[in-house]
Amino acid sequence: KAGVTQTPRYLIKTRGQQVTLSCSPISGHRSVSWYQQTPGQGLQFLFEYFSETQRNKGNFPGRFSGRQFSNSRSEMNVSTLELGDSALYLCASSSRDPGTQYFGPGTRLTVL
Amino acid sequence: AQKVTQAQTEISVVEKEDVTLDCVYETRDTTYYLFWYKQPPSGELVFLIRRNSFDEQNEISGRYSWNFQKSTSSFNFTITASQVVDSAVYFCALSEQSGANSKLTFGKGITLSVRP
Repeated sequence: KAGVTQTPRYLIKTRGQQVTLSCSPISGHRSVSWYQQTPGQGLQFLFEYFSETQRNKGNFPGRFSGRQFSNSRSEMNVSTLELGDSALYLCASSSRDPGTQYFGPGTRLTVL
Repeated sequence: AQKVTQAQTEISVVEKEDVTLDCVYETRDTTYYLFWYKQPPSGELVFLIRRNSFDEQNEISGRYSWNFQKSTSSFNFTITASQVVDSAVYFCALSEQSGANSKLTFGKGITLSVRP
């Protein structure tokens, strides 16, 4: 089976712009979670989607949003980018509850 | 609230040495899951092991072994005869299984450097 894929792998944006990141889960996995990784805060949970519904959300401002499509692919969007949004964004998928989360390679976002 | 503490931040060993990575967790749930992930320089988190709160048996997989002790809320990871390829950041994580909650709470990670 192919692993979790994320696109793009690298992004450079400027403050105030918005960005959309994409995640394709492992085939058959219905749960997709997103995490932000920064040197200062470490790995932090953003949100989880299951069957196109947001099931859980972390402590991030409303500028961070996501969605899931009927084929389980997921996107996350960050609006009005700030310098502090520079991070590695990791997507993970799992097949059941409770499931082991398998991670993609991440999207490295740089905000200038 | 759940919490994972990895008190060691950086460990450096010489190849073939054994090394233990410590993990201490906090949770109010009786049902939970513990994980170890490896993050090589490429950035992708690689799943190593999952252990549920009802299974305190230690596990060995090749050079890797895990010691789960509920009495001390610890889930330590030992690499025997370390190799240069083991150099990475290692994360311990906790998932409370309240309903359909599968959120992972991670520790800060331990950077392991294995020198030839």
